[in-house]
Amino acid sequence: GENVEQHPSTLSVQEGDSAVIKCTYSDSASNYFPWYKQELGKGPQLIIDIRSNVGEKKDQRIAVTLNKTAKHFSLHITETQPEDSAVYFCAAGNSGGGADGLTFGKGTHLIIQP
Amino acid sequence: ETGVTQTPRHLVMGMTNKKSLKCEQHLGHNAMYWYKQSAKKPLELMFVYNFKEQTENNSVPSRFSPECPNSSHLFLHLHTLQPEDSALYLCASSQVSGSNEQYFGPGTRLTVT
Repeated sequence: GENVEQHPSTLSVQEGDSAVIKCTYSDSASNYFPWYKQELGKGPQLIIDIRSNVGEKKDQRIAVTLNKTAKHFSLHITETQPEDSAVYFCAAGNSGGGADGLTFGKGTHLIIQP
Repeated sequence: ETGVTQTPRHLVMGMTNKKSLKCEQHLGHNAMYWYKQSAKKPLELMFVYNFKEQTENNSVPSRFSPECPNSSHLFLHLHTLQPEDSALYLCASSQVSGSNEQYFGPGTRLTVT
């Protein structure tokens, strides 16, 4: 089965700086890679995703890159703000139609220092 | 709000109790999922329903019994649980055709005493 590794487990950055979270996956059949943000007391919220037919996707201050050959993908947050503080999860799965569960990383606790 | 609601939000139950968790999605999706989130562990997939039919049981103990009466509602029936079953139980939904974008509810915080 799929295995997703996520690093670091905790990341502290100064407000305004950039944050990068990295994930690797094991199953070359995976073709869908979403990122979720989870705030205290809430469920995970989908913030961005990427499919294996593209190498990069950007949405305002967040971007995701994918290297299929190396089986790793990363989340980049620029100009970090206090409201970016949360736990971020990467996941891997399939997007070819059908209902498929996602395999998640262990999460990164992002702390934005004022 | 993601369009996925879960009740109750918090539940404390003894090991001999029977209780049920409820999930409802208002997104018009046709696939629903149960995940378990324990401290310091990744979210673990438990069950998958595709058009009300269970398509995946991720080796979950029989003390957890899912039910999906229609595409909008999903239940998780609990009985004779163990303290290690204490966790946040998350429901998600997605549209079967096309992408696998899954939208999560807020979860039910379960404590087994």
